[in-house]
Amino acid sequence: QSVLTQPPSASGTPGQRVTISCSGSSSNIGSNYVYWYQQLPGTAPKLLIYRNNQRPSGVPDRFSGSKSGTSASLAISGLRSEDEADYYCAVWDDSLSGVVFGGGTKLTVL
Amino acid sequence: QVHLVESGGGVVQPGRSLRLSCAASGFTFTSYAMHWVRQAPGKGLDWVAGTSYDGSYEYYADSVKGRFTISRDNSKNTLYLQMNSLRVEDTAVYYCARYWSPAVTAEVYFDYWGQGTLVTVSS
Repeated sequence: QSVLTQPPSASGTPGQRVTISCSGSSSNIGSNYVYWYQQLPGTAPKLLIYRNNQRPSGVPDRFSGSKSGTSASLAISGLRSEDEADYYCAVWDDSLSGVVFGGGTKLTVL
Repeated sequence: QVHLVESGGGVVQPGRSLRLSCAASGFTFTSYAMHWVRQAPGKGLDWVAGTSYDGSYEYYADSVKGRFTISRDNSKNTLYLQMNSLRVEDTAVYYCARYWSPAVTAEVYFDYWGQGTLVTVSS
């Protein structure tokens, strides 16, 4: 049981916009920055969004992040087949003094 | 460019020990904190431990506290994870990841990851 709650799956057709939610608590999302990682099949995770809504260099602007209270969301617009991957939210938890990851959301592009 | 290469994985019996290594290159190792993150087969990411740039601070997930020890040898540009009293539930691919700053702060900015090494705990 993850400290952060994500839907196990999401799907969309090419060109659509999909959102993935991440729910936490006051000790994690409520008080710290949210990060998002993308993990393509058989590869190591890759940083996708940092500090709630910032994109590292090289990440397309189709990816965006937001945070409100103790929840966060990742939005992917103009869905492409190469976006099919697992997506994880992550945040520092003040109560645990450590990093917590969401359970992950498997995105399928239909 | 930045390279992180894990090694030391394998099959081990429950209760035994194993030490993982992560060889770093392509950057100034002493300028960055480092972490270990694991992923059980078919499961999600699970943070294991982190250490500051000089090894003076260590942080652990509750699930490994008292059994695992993270350390680093800055003269060898290498990060380690000593795993004792291994359990079946420790079976996972173990990734080392570079942290964005020298100190471990309340952020989760892992900018580079290794390819991982598989640890299987089984009798």
